[in-house]
Amino acid sequence: DSGVTQTPKHLITATGQRVTLRCSPRSGDLSVYWYQQSLDQGLQFLIQYYNGEERAKGNILERFSAQQFPDLHSELNLSSLELGDSALYFCASSVGQNQETQYFGPGTRLLVL
Amino acid sequence: AQTVTQSQPEMSVQEAETVTLSCTYDTSESDYYLFWYKQPPSRQMILVIRQEAYKQQNATENRFSVNFQKAAKSFSLKISDSQLGDAAMYFCAYRSARGRAGAQKLVFGQGTRLTINP
Repeated sequence: DSGVTQTPKHLITATGQRVTLRCSPRSGDLSVYWYQQSLDQGLQFLIQYYNGEERAKGNILERFSAQQFPDLHSELNLSSLELGDSALYFCASSVGQNQETQYFGPGTRLLVL
Repeated sequence: AQTVTQSQPEMSVQEAETVTLSCTYDTSESDYYLFWYKQPPSRQMILVIRQEAYKQQNATENRFSVNFQKAAKSFSLKISDSQLGDAAMYFCAYRSARGRAGAQKLVFGQGTRLTINP
């Protein structure tokens, strides 16, 4: 158990819908990262937050957004869902911005029908 | 941009034997970190081992060790005394050591699926 929690574990929804994925980092970790794992794109970085502020964006679609709250949990919002958004979404956390090791949560498996 | 390549989509090994998974990367940076993550059927991403580029000594964690060749930009993972529980997808990952925004992201290879034959 990495100490990073993600909810829900599974999510099934329809095209055009909006969902929210939640992540709680390890105790004491200030940085949260979101990654998407899909069959065709592999594991890709989406976005990073540090202590409530956005620090970096990767291959994140405009239909996706995220935020980190004062209690340091983070939410990833996916809207206008398409079939191709079906994937495993991971949250990872690290102590600071420059701490080299990221610990991953169990992931949320999203299926868009 | 940095890239990570795992040229072996699948590998198999007999239980108790040794197997080596390959990884190469491309970067213009001199300071960085390299990782191997394991993803078993549960899909959890588990850190196996990490290597700091400034360290010449190869990292070791119990049955897992790496062969880090900085000049060749190669980072292979050796698993000794393979066990059934080692069966998983293994991902090689790169992370810059720079402090600039966006440098902290992990860049992953495509993965190698390891099968352990009893």
